[in-house]
Amino acid sequence: NAGVMQNPRHLVRRRGQEARLRCSPMKGHSHVYWYRQLPEEGLKFMVYLQKENIIDESGMPKERFSAEFPKEGPSILRIQQVVRGDSAAYFCASSEDRHQETQYFGPGTRLLVL
Amino acid sequence: SQKIEQNSEALNIQEGKTATLTCNYTNYSPAYLQWYRQDPGRGPVFLLLIRENEKEKRKERLKVTFDTTLKQSLFHITASQPADSATYLCALGDNDMRFGAGTRLTVKP
Repeated sequence: NAGVMQNPRHLVRRRGQEARLRCSPMKGHSHVYWYRQLPEEGLKFMVYLQKENIIDESGMPKERFSAEFPKEGPSILRIQQVVRGDSAAYFCASSEDRHQETQYFGPGTRLLVL
Repeated sequence: SQKIEQNSEALNIQEGKTATLTCNYTNYSPAYLQWYRQDPGRGPVFLLLIRENEKEKRKERLKVTFDTTLKQSLFHITASQPADSATYLCALGDNDMRFGAGTRLTVKP
């Protein structure tokens, strides 16, 4: 049973470009969570999705950031017009049920904005 | 506002000793609390979950306590080994989950 998969592992973008981060949850998991981690800081919750639905996006910046989890395919975190401050590690986690106990994390995508 | 604080940025101990990490929180009433381990360049890995009605939980060399009156959890690693060196994160859960900044543990041989 493959774990949570994220790609790319490293992503370099210039200011103003778009970044697309992908996350495939563990088999059988239909709940996906995205977190951002800045150096020397904890994980900051961004968004929680279930298949085709955004359940909680209270941690998402209001502009430039969006997330989706289509019926088929991976969850996508999209950052438009990236700025240097978006440079961080972005982690995706998945869980089997809604109550978020025991989330399984992917290896993360490290985004560097030049 | 809700706050989760983990003790000192870094903790250095000698191999064989017990490492004790703390997690304090304010303005929060979590239904459960979790501890994760994170190695450099990797995602967090779940270690233990303890619920609000539980005082203590153990798993091999790990022990977690949860005091909802003090609003504190203690995470112990007994007979520590250099391989235990990592950053340990506490996370509080209710309708959502919030993480502390983590404590970096180094176990010296």
